[in-house]
Amino acid sequence: SAVISQKPSRDICQRGTSLTIQCQVDSQVTMMFWYRQQPGQSLTLIATANQGSEATYESGFVIDKFPISRPNLTFSTLTVSNMSPEDSSIYLCSVVISGNIQYFGAGTRLSVL
Amino acid sequence: AQSVSQHNHHVILSEAASLELGCNYSYGGTVNLFWYVQYPGQHLQLLLKYFSGDPLVKGIKGFEAEFIKSKFSFNLRKPSVQWSDTAEYFCAVNVINTDKLIFGTGTRLQVFP
Repeated sequence: SAVISQKPSRDICQRGTSLTIQCQVDSQVTMMFWYRQQPGQSLTLIATANQGSEATYESGFVIDKFPISRPNLTFSTLTVSNMSPEDSSIYLCSVVISGNIQYFGAGTRLSVL
Repeated sequence: AQSVSQHNHHVILSEAASLELGCNYSYGGTVNLFWYVQYPGQHLQLLLKYFSGDPLVKGIKGFEAEFIKSKFSFNLRKPSVQWSDTAEYFCAVNVINTDKLIFGTGTRLQVFP
C-alpha cells in the first residue's frame, strides 16, 4: 500500500470562493484519481489526474469547475472553483500502487455556506 | 453504462449474527470486483478483491465474498459479526483494461453488543 496525505482534512468556505485540495503520496504512482462523495451518496469519479498532461474528466465534471494539476508522480491538486452549497462533499484522492487496486486518502470534508 | 447496486442501505445486527450484503453489477464483460470498508472517522480501506480464479475470496477480519458470474453478483459475508464491524461497506467494480472504479451506494452496518 502507500501513505496518502490529503490537505486540508476539512474546510468551511463561502460561496463564490475556491478551495485547492492537495494529495501527496509517499511513492511514485502512475495513476491518481479524484472522487466526490456527496452526503448520503456513494463515491463518484471526478477525473483521472495525468502526470504531464491535462486531466481526464468524467461526464458531468468540467475543467473550469474542477481544475486539476499533476506536476509529478507523487502529487496532485484538485481545485473546487466558484463554490456553491451543492459542492459540499467529501473529496478523495486515490492511487493505484500495483495490481489495479486503488488506495484512498482520508478525504477532505468541504462545507460551503 | 456500468452500474453497481447494493440492495441493503442500512443493516442493524446484534453481535454474533451472520451477515450478508448484496452487490450486483451491470456489465457483460470481464470485471475486477472489490469490497471497501470505511470505519467511523477513517478512510476507505480495501476489504477484499476478486480478479480471477476461485470465486470465493477471503479478506481481512473474517470477511469473504463470492463471485457468481451468472448472477452478476459479489455478495459479502461474515458468519459472526462483531461490534467493531460497524462501518460503511462499499462494493466496487473495475472494468478490465480501464482505470475506473464504479462504486455502489454503500451499506451502513450497525452492530450492537
